[in-house]
Amino acid sequence: GNSVTQMEGPVTLSEEAFLTINCTYTATGYPSLFWYVQYPGEGLQLLLKATKADDKGSNKGFEATYRKETTSFHLEKGSVQVSDSAVYFCALLRGSNYKLTFGKGTLLTVNP
Amino acid sequence: DVKVTQSSRYLVKRTGEKVFLECVQDMDHENMFWYRQDPGLGLRLIYFSYDVKMKEKGDIPEGYSVSREKKERFSLILESASTNQTSMYLCASIFSRTSTDTQYFGPGTRLTVL
Repeated sequence: GNSVTQMEGPVTLSEEAFLTINCTYTATGYPSLFWYVQYPGEGLQLLLKATKADDKGSNKGFEATYRKETTSFHLEKGSVQVSDSAVYFCALLRGSNYKLTFGKGTLLTVNP
Repeated sequence: DVKVTQSSRYLVKRTGEKVFLECVQDMDHENMFWYRQDPGLGLRLIYFSYDVKMKEKGDIPEGYSVSREKKERFSLILESASTNQTSMYLCASIFSRTSTDTQYFGPGTRLTVL
């Protein structure tokens, strides 16, 4: 079946540091891939997505590239801010019933 | 703007009580979902619905049921709440079953069962 593995947190960085959160997946065919973000006390929001191999999703300074050869969709940001502190979820969609498969989430804390 | 609302942000119930969690979306979306979120386990799908009165089990349906009498409303029911159902519950919706578009999430209901 489908599965998503993302790096375990928590991740603690200083402001302006470089961020990478690793995400790899297992799925047949060509899934769509997503990063969702959950700020404290809120629901999930879509951060970015990619629907085919070599696509790059980007939003708010975050980027992720769909790598079919390594089955990966790593999230990166060049310079994090305190306001980026949140839980980040990698997810995939594959199949006709629109069920998302989520990773376990990575808590990011950015200190000033 | 897209909106998914949940009836309560925080809820405290006692073991054995019947609990209703309500979710409403104002986007005319066909598909709606209920997840629970637990630390270290991520989001797990409880039930989903792709049309009025249609429902399908997700990965962890035991102890839950759902109701979808109107397109905009999807209810999660805990028939007899237990302490292991203490969790954050998230509702989501999307327009099309085969779309690669976004699932929109509500703010969540944090349920505590004593």
